[in-house]
Amino acid sequence: GQQVMQIPQYQHVQEGEDFTTYCNSSTTLSNIQWYKQRPGGHPVFLIQLVKSGEVKKQKRLTFQFGEAKKNSSLHITATQTTDVGTYFCAGLNTNAGKSTFGDGTTLTVKP
Amino acid sequence: KAGVTQTPRYLIKTRGQQVTLSCSPISGHRSVSWYQQTPGQGLQFLFEYFSETQRNKGNFPGRFSGRQFSNSRSEMNVSTLELGDSALYLCASSPGHLNTEAFFGQGTRLTVV
Repeated sequence: GQQVMQIPQYQHVQEGEDFTTYCNSSTTLSNIQWYKQRPGGHPVFLIQLVKSGEVKKQKRLTFQFGEAKKNSSLHITATQTTDVGTYFCAGLNTNAGKSTFGDGTTLTVKP
Repeated sequence: KAGVTQTPRYLIKTRGQQVTLSCSPISGHRSVSWYQQTPGQGLQFLFEYFSETQRNKGNFPGRFSGRQFSNSRSEMNVSTLELGDSALYLCASSPGHLNTEAFFGQGTRLTVV
């Protein structure tokens, strides 16, 4: 079945450093979504990417969708303590009829 | 607009018992998906309901079941609880099937003792 792998599992950074998480799917995706879950909270939708090679920005966050639509990345520039949490990608495979979540990357930021 | 509401927020059950969790989606949303979240396993897909029909099912045993009502509210049931069923159960609603973002509820924290 479809697998979505996310790396790294954990990332510890100093405030002000950059952060990147990568998402790789075993199958071609129709779209990919990114979510953020704060400690003790629930996943909150950040963005959806649909087109091959698409790049979207939200302030310090940059999201990319690979040309082959099998991988994606989320890059945070100059992390802040408010960025802490777990970032999940979710890849939609319409043939499988469902989205599959990666295991998430947990980001901690040291002030 | 009210968000996704899950009840109860916390539950403690004994092994062998059964439990029913409830999810009220955002008004107008017709798709409800359920996920199990544990520290070591991430977000595991349980099932999705759309217009009262189960559209997809994850790799969980038959002890896990669900249903959706005509008002889009959904319930999931776990029978013969096992210790390993302890987890955060999250419900997510979407306007349609397989298209847009999912809005998650706060979850139900189930502890099986």
